[in-house]
This record gives sequence, C-alpha cells and structure tokens, in this order.
Amino acid sequence: EPEVTQTPSHQVTQMGQEVILRCVPISNHLYFYWYRQILGQKVEFLVSFYNNEISEKSEIFDDQFSVERPDGSNFTLKIRSTKLEDSAMYFCASSEGQGAYNSPLHFGNGTRLTVT
Amino acid sequence: LAKTTQPISMDSYEGQEVNITCSHNNIATNDYITWYQQFPSQGPRFIIQGYKTKVTNEVASLFIPADRKSSTLSLPRVSLSDTAVYYCLVGLTGYSTLTFGKGTMLLVSP
Repeated sequence: EPEVTQTPSHQVTQMGQEVILRCVPISNHLYFYWYRQILGQKVEFLVSFYNNEISEKSEIFDDQFSVERPDGSNFTLKIRSTKLEDSAMYFCASSEGQGAYNSPLHFGNGTRLTVT
Repeated sequence: LAKTTQPISMDSYEGQEVNITCSHNNIATNDYITWYQQFPSQGPRFIIQGYKTKVTNEVASLFIPADRKSSTLSLPRVSLSDTAVYYCLVGLTGYSTLTFGKGTMLLVSP
C-alpha cells in the first residue's frame, strides 16, 4: 500500500535556526497538509496546499512558516527561526482530491522536532 | 465547521466489542464522517468513513443514524494492539479543514 514518507524522523535544532521538514506524499494525491502535535496534546492543523498554493492555514501558521512543493514529489515545511514552542511532532498528510467521494487523509509517521 | 464530542477514554478487555460514539450536532449536508486511529509517536491512520447508514470494512463498522447527528465506531473483538486514541472527524476533504478533537483513548486489557 502506498504511504506518505517523512524525513528526518527526528530533528534537533537550536533556537533561531531554520529547519526544513520533508515529505513525499502519495504519488497520485493532489492535496497536501501539515499538522503538528505537541507532546500530550491534540493534533493541530497548520496548512493545506493544492495546485501549488496554500488553500487554508491556521493561526499557528504565521510568517515563520512556509510550504513548498519544489518538484513533482516532495512537499516541504520550512520554519525560518525556530522557537522552543515549535518543539512538536510534525505530520504530513495527503489526499486524492475532492468531490462527491470524500478522499480521506493519509498521514506520514511524522518528524519529531526538538528545539533547544 | 462541525464540532465533535467523544468520550475522553474507554476501557475494554480482549475479545470484546467496543463501540465509540461521536456527537456532531451541526454536521453539514455534504460532510462525511471519518475515523482515525493513532498510536503513540505515529501519525493518525485512516480506519473508516461514511456518509449515512452503515459502512463495514475489514477493521471496523461505522453506524450513522438517519439524522447524522452522531456516529458509532464499532471494533469487533478488540485485542491489546487496538489500544490507541480514536478520532472522529467531520468534513469534506478539499472544502473544509479537517480538525482533530481530543479523541477517545481506548485501553484494552488482557
């Protein structure tokens, strides 16, 4: 079964540094997402991406965050200047599309970001 | 955006059937109901989705009454490996942002 893959599985960075989290969505999927989960808390929506642009973003997704689909397979989340409170598990997800059939999200296993 | 309400936790024993109910009183006409399972340090995993009546797959069944204001995930004969958090989401991919609530922590004991 095709799956969403994320790299690295664990990233440690110092406060103020830039990080790029990478994701390879399922190949025929058209919608891409980033969610995050702070330890012990619920999964929070960050951003959705379709047709090479952001469809929706949450209040968490401020100017420090950006997403990009640099080629036909990768989908990245960049945090420009990390803060301690950015420490969390970041999940990438993808879905086939939209329409009468509701295409469920398929999640990767996440990147654990630790900001020191 | 349809808000969902689920029990915070449930306990069960191996071999029992577990039913987790989710309330979504303001579900919209086009919204689907989707359930996910999450193990610690893993991403949520799609279990089942439905629009109305009953849906069954190899893992679970989903019961949705006619008014669609609630839904029940049924896990037959649970095992220890079914211990996880289960989330009920309501929405339509591509049209609404799918938001996770706190989910239901299911603990299966021997």
